[in-house]
Amino acid sequence: ELKVEQNPLFLSMQEGKNYTIYCNYSTTSDRLYWYRQDPGKSLESLFVLLSNGAVKQEGRLMASLDTKARLSTLHITAAVHDLSATYFCAAQNTGNQFYFGTGTSLTVIP
Amino acid sequence: DTEVTQTPKHLVMGMTNKKSLKCEQHMGHRAMYWYKQKAKKPPELMFVYSYEKLSINESVPSRFSPECPNSSLLNLHLHALQPEDSALYLCASSHPGLNYGYTFGSGTRLTVV
Repeated sequence: ELKVEQNPLFLSMQEGKNYTIYCNYSTTSDRLYWYRQDPGKSLESLFVLLSNGAVKQEGRLMASLDTKARLSTLHITAAVHDLSATYFCAAQNTGNQFYFGTGTSLTVIP
Repeated sequence: DTEVTQTPKHLVMGMTNKKSLKCEQHMGHRAMYWYKQKAKKPPELMFVYSYEKLSINESVPSRFSPECPNSSLLNLHLHALQPEDSALYLCASSHPGLNYGYTFGSGTRLTVV
């Protein structure tokens, strides 16, 4: 079974600061996804990373994938309050199943 | 249509009740999924249907019974649930084998009393 670990589990950061969330997975997976979840809501797709070296950016968020290191990162630039949410990474195996990371609960403080 | 629609959005049921959760998509996706999510935890896979056939059952108790009547619909029948089954139930769909990830529905918030 593909195991996915995220860190940190909780992140409190000040507005305007930068930070990175890390996602490690245990076995080969060429497909890595990032989702955002607001309290009580469903999962919103942020990024789909399909190959080694892939980098995607949307606003203040940038995601990257290193398949050799089995590592994906979600970098937050100049955080704003609206980014407060829980962020999940998910790795996909060849059977098309998703395995979710533990999630990172992000709180941006004014 | 690029959505997965789940109904109802909220459900409160007693331990002796029988109820059903519904999920519908019209994106032509041939894989559909049920996930259970407890508060502050990642979603946990329950069932996978591929081309309307149950392909994965992650050791889910028999009080949860999935059904896929056609390629657009997915149901989850609930019977004799326990309070610990209270959770957010998420439906998702995808193209089997394609690299587009899952599209998630908005979920059903289930409370068992």
